[in-house]
Amino acid sequence: DGGITQSPKYLFRKEGQNVTLSCEQNLNHDAMYWYRQDPGQGLRLIYYSQIVNDFQKGDIAEGYSVSREKKESFPLTVTSAQKNPTAFYLCASSPGQAGNTIYFGEGSWLTVV
Amino acid sequence: QKEVEQNSGPLSVPEGAIASLNCTYSDRGSQSFFWYRQYSGKSPELIMFIYSNGDKEDGRFTAQLNKASQYVSLLIRDSQPSDSATYLCAVKLVAGTYKYIFGTGTRLKVLA
Repeated sequence: DGGITQSPKYLFRKEGQNVTLSCEQNLNHDAMYWYRQDPGQGLRLIYYSQIVNDFQKGDIAEGYSVSREKKESFPLTVTSAQKNPTAFYLCASSPGQAGNTIYFGEGSWLTVV
Repeated sequence: QKEVEQNSGPLSVPEGAIASLNCTYSDRGSQSFFWYRQYSGKSPELIMFIYSNGDKEDGRFTAQLNKASQYVSLLIRDSQPSDSATYLCAVKLVAGTYKYIFGTGTRLKVLA
């Protein structure tokens, strides 16, 4: 099945710990994205990547890091510097020049305990 | 700061009525416009996209775009209780940026 797979679906983090959220796509999409959604809020862009080995900060990049070593993978690390990380994290991808639509994975819930 | 504005709602409509959802955007260079539906606790799913001024219809859904007024709308005809969800408007900024900006969403309630 083609799609975007995020893991884990639920994650609990102790304060001071780094955690990494996985995102894999088999759609052969060029661009990948990470968004954060807080309860009752819209989506805010954390990082995005247009091609392998390149990525750009979004509107709320502080406290997060990413890598894009492979076209199909775009993991997000939530570092201890992110003071309020409890949120719903959405990974997305789009074909880039070949098309416009952005598609989402099922999301990962991160809770700080 | 590029912005996409939506009324947060809730917008309540009776079953069978037309629901009208609105969105305005600030960047005149925006090229592509999208409507997503998001059920509580789930990820957004694409309903429609529109690139050109005018109307675009797909089943019970019609997207309307007016670039001069920087306004996008979504009409849902014959609204069903299953349409109750949050509707997100998204805008893709100028070509070459690959950047999509989302509104905060409008919560729609369809009353049976």
